[in-house]
Amino acid sequence: GAGVSQSPSNKVTEKGKDVELRCDPISGHTALYWYRQSLGQGLEFLIYFQGNSAPDKSGLPSDRFSAERTGGSVSTLTIQRTQQEDSAVYLCASSLAGGYNEQFFGPGTRLTVL
Amino acid sequence: EDKVVQSPLSLVVHEGDTVTLNCSYEVTNFRSLLWYKQEKKAPTFLFMLTSSGIEKKSGRLSSILDKKELFSILNITATQTGDSAIYLCATMNYGGSQGNLIFGKGTKLSVKP
Repeated sequence: GAGVSQSPSNKVTEKGKDVELRCDPISGHTALYWYRQSLGQGLEFLIYFQGNSAPDKSGLPSDRFSAERTGGSVSTLTIQRTQQEDSAVYLCASSLAGGYNEQFFGPGTRLTVL
Repeated sequence: EDKVVQSPLSLVVHEGDTVTLNCSYEVTNFRSLLWYKQEKKAPTFLFMLTSSGIEKKSGRLSSILDKKELFSILNITATQTGDSAIYLCATMNYGGSQGNLIFGKGTKLSVKP
C-alpha cells in the first residue's frame, strides 16, 4: 500500500481481556516500530523489528506486552490482561533498512480499556 | 536519562503570524533530530536534521539544528489554519535500538482565522 496501515482504528475492551493490534508497513520497509502515545505524553518507544534480526523489546512496559512480525512484513502487538493504564493510541511506523532513516507512521489504534 | 523538551507546550496565533517552535535535547550518542506534524493520529514527517547550522526548508516551514547548544527550531511563516496541529520533535541516537526515536511532548499550535 501507499502508507502504513493499522487496524482496528479504535478498540474498546474490558479490563482483563486480551487485545491484538495490527500493523501493515510500507512495502519494502524492513524496519518496523511500535510506539504508544498516552494522553498528554509524547510518543513512547515499545519495540523495534529489523529484517530477520531478533527484535529490540527494550521499550515494552511489562510482560503483558508482546509483538511479532510474520514474514518480515505485517506485525501484531498483543496486550494480555489489559489494564486501564494501557489506554492510549498505539502507533506503528516503518522505515527503510538500516534504522537511521525517517520513520513513516500509521494512523494508530486508539485503545480504551474500561 | 535521555530527554527531549519542547516549548512552548501550546501556542495560539492568528493567520499570517510567524511562529517559532523550540526543541532542546540531552541525549547520549545523538545522531539526528526529526520534526513531525500530528493532526489527527498519524504524525507526518517534516524534517530530519543531522548537520549543525544547515537550514532545511519546505514551503513556509524551515528548521535548523544547533549541535553545540543542543537545540533545534521549527519556523512557520505566514501561518494558515491548516497549520493547526501538534508539532513533535524527536531525536534519533546511535547505538541501542537503531533508529528508535525519543520524542518530546509536543507543541500544540492553534491558528485562528
